[in-house]
Amino acid sequence: GENVEQHPSTLSVQEGDSAVIKCTYSDSASNYFPWYKQELGKGPQLIIDIRSNVGEKKDQRIAVTLNKTAKHFSLHITETQPEDSAVYFCASTFSGGTSYGKLTFGQGTILTVHP
Amino acid sequence: DADVTQTPRNRITKTGKRIMLECSQTKGHDRMYWYRQDPGLGLRLIYYSFDVKDINKGEISDGYSVSRQAQAKFSLSLESAIPNQTALYFCATSDPKWNEQYFGPGTRLTVT
Repeated sequence: GENVEQHPSTLSVQEGDSAVIKCTYSDSASNYFPWYKQELGKGPQLIIDIRSNVGEKKDQRIAVTLNKTAKHFSLHITETQPEDSAVYFCASTFSGGTSYGKLTFGQGTILTVHP
Repeated sequence: DADVTQTPRNRITKTGKRIMLECSQTKGHDRMYWYRQDPGLGLRLIYYSFDVKDINKGEISDGYSVSRQAQAKFSLSLESAIPNQTALYFCATSDPKWNEQYFGPGTRLTVT
């Protein structure tokens, strides 16, 4: 089955700096890669996703890049703000067939943005 | 009102007790999931259901069972709770047309 490794497990930055979280996956058939943000006391919420036919996707201060050859993808947050502090999870799946919808998650990264 | 609700939000129980965690959703989604979250291990899939008559084991189903009572309701049971089942449990839903999963607020379960 799919295995997703996420690094770092904790990340501390100053407000205004950039933050990068990296994930690697094992199944070359995976073609959908979402990122979820979990705030304290809440369930994870999708913040951005990317499909295998795209190398990069941006949404305001967040961006995701995908390298299918190396089987890794990254989340980039620019101009970090204290409200970006949360746990971030990467995930992957093959979007098609009977495995559709079954996400394999990374271990999570605790991001702390210091004012 | 929240689209995905979980009850209870917190529960402390003793080893050997049976406990049920409940999930309800108003999103009209056919697909529902139960995950377990442990520090450093991320979210691991326990069971999932793609419609009312479909139940499937996830990667860590041992010690757990589920019931899909209706499209909107999906319950997780621990038949005989043990301390290493202490964790944060999340229910989620998704639409088969889209990949996004919508998570409930979680249930913090402690087994003493």
